[in-house]
Amino acid sequence: GDSVTQMEGPVTLSEEAFLTINCTYTATGYPSLFWYVQYPGEGLQLLLKATKADDKGSNKGFEATYRKETTSFHLEKGSVQVSDSAVYFCALINAGNNRKLIWGLGTSLAVNP
Amino acid sequence: DTAVSQTPKYLVTQMGNDKSIKCEQNLGHDTMYWYKQDSKKFLKIMFSYNNKELIINETVPNRFSPKSPDKAHLNLHINSLELGDSAVYFCASSQGGGTQPQHFGDGTRLSIL
Repeated sequence: GDSVTQMEGPVTLSEEAFLTINCTYTATGYPSLFWYVQYPGEGLQLLLKATKADDKGSNKGFEATYRKETTSFHLEKGSVQVSDSAVYFCALINAGNNRKLIWGLGTSLAVNP
Repeated sequence: DTAVSQTPKYLVTQMGNDKSIKCEQNLGHDTMYWYKQDSKKFLKIMFSYNNKELIINETVPNRFSPKSPDKAHLNLHINSLELGDSAVYFCASSQGGGTQPQHFGDGTRLSIL
């Protein structure tokens, strides 16, 4: 079945450092890919998405490109802030999955001033 | 103005009790979900309803029973609570399938004494 694998955390960075959180997937067909973010004490919220190969999703300085050849959707940000400290989830949805999102395990990010 | 609202936010109760969590969305979405998030942040889909019809029913103990009185509400009733039920429960909603993102509530933290 479909699956999502993302790098284990926690990831700890200093403010203004470059961030990469790796995400790879296994899926038949052409899934849509998502990054969600969960700030402490809150629910998840959509950060960005990409619906077809070579699409780049971007939001709040974060970017991820849908790479079908490497089945990857890595999240990047050029300069992180303390306020980016959160848990980041990679997910996919595939046609015929009854609208079921397949989730990665989440990667915790802590940014120190 | 809250898009997906859950009540209560915190629920502390004893083993063996029965409790309910309510969820309402004012986004006009046709699909609603219940998730369980454990202490390691792992997200597990439990149920999903589309226009009041159950479409996802994962391997969940039958002590958990969802009820959708209309497409804006999805409640979760739990009988005979056990220690292992301690978790954060999230309600979410989406419109249609495919690439549409899910919108999450802020969660209900259930603690079993």
